[in-house]
This record gives sequence, structure tokens and C-alpha cells, in this order.
Amino acid sequence: SQQGEEDPQALSIQEGENATMNCSYKTSINNLQWYRQNSGRGLVHLILIRSNEREKHSGRLRVTLDTSKKSSSLLITASRAADTASYFCATANNYGQNFVFGPGTRLSVLP
Amino acid sequence: NAGVMQNPRHLVRRRGQEARLRCSPMKGHSHVYWYRQLPEEGLKFMVYLQKENIIDESGMPKERFSAEFPKEGPSILRIQQVVRGDSAAYFCASSPQVTGVGANVLTFGAGSRLTVL
Repeated sequence: SQQGEEDPQALSIQEGENATMNCSYKTSINNLQWYRQNSGRGLVHLILIRSNEREKHSGRLRVTLDTSKKSSSLLITASRAADTASYFCATANNYGQNFVFGPGTRLSVLP
Repeated sequence: NAGVMQNPRHLVRRRGQEARLRCSPMKGHSHVYWYRQLPEEGLKFMVYLQKENIIDESGMPKERFSAEFPKEGPSILRIQQVVRGDSAAYFCASSPQVTGVGANVLTFGAGSRLTVL
């Protein structure tokens, strides 16, 4: 299985702090993506990093990918209460299809 | 430009009944994925379809579950003879056709929440 595995399972921080979530996976991938899910809603795509990239930025998001360790991290800087959600990494196989999601990290940002 | 539309949003069934969940992909998208999510858990892959073709159903239970994506109309996830363990949120996602080694992004619907009494 190429399933991603996020850690920590749950993270609670104060508004303004940075939040870091990690994802590990098992097999070779085409790309790795991070998604956010607000309670009771569908997932929303945040950022994609390809297997030949090491770091990517989008606004307050920074994603790194280490294919030798089969791991990725998502950093949210200057967190806000609105960032409270579950965050999932998803890996796509070598054809860029068949997405497999990890169990997620539940982030709580306290005002 | 409507996103991925799922209906019904909530469905209640008694044990032994059938549940049908529908998903209309985003305009221009030809690939549909179905995932199941239990409370406080991640998404479990079920099936991946193109129009009139099941590409990967490795996550589908062997019995009672089936999926289709006909030439016309929405994709349907069908659960026959539902049991309490089928209670979950079922999410559909769609993506455009991949050409070569591409990098697709999934667009998700809001989900259908099935409760089996």
C-alpha cells in the first residue's frame, strides 16, 4: 500500500504560531498533495508537490518533500482560528492517478 | 460553474434496504473517485471510474457494493442490503483526464452521509 500516514494525529496551537504536520508514505509516487477538510465538509485541495521537487510555497503554506525518506511536511505559518480543520496528505501513483489518503492531522488553532 | 454535486446529502436506510448515492463530476472532468469516511478517520479509497469503465475497484467490498459511471448521467454508488457498518460519509471526487504522466488534483463534493438504522 502506498498509503500516507500523517503525524501528529492531533495538534493544538495558539493563533499566530506555526503548525507543522508530517506525512510518510511507502511506495514511489508521482506527486504528493495536501488537502484540508473542515468539519462536515468535503476536502479542499491546498498544494501539490511533484516527486522531482523538494519545496513549494503557497501563501502561508510551505510543503517539503524528501523522496529518499518517503516523507513530506506541511507548515502553516502565522496560524489563524480559521485554519482549524483536518489536514490530509494524498499520494498519487506513478501515473498521477489513484490517490490514497492518510488518516489526517486534526489541527485546532485557539484564538 | 458548479463543482462536484453529490446527492442526497443525507440518507437514512433500514438494515436490508438499498442505498444509491449519486455524483455529478465537475464540468469537463471525466474521472470519478469514491471514498468512504468514518467519523474522525481518514478517507478510504473505494473505486475509480471513467465514463463506462471501472479503472480500479480494489477498495470496494466484494459483496453488496457496486459503482457505475454511465455515458450519460451521474456516477452511482450502490449499496445493497445495507448493514449498520455501512453508516459513513461517502465522498465523490472528480478530476480531468490525465494525459501521459500528469499531475491531477481532485475536486471533492460535499459528501453523502448514510445512516443505517
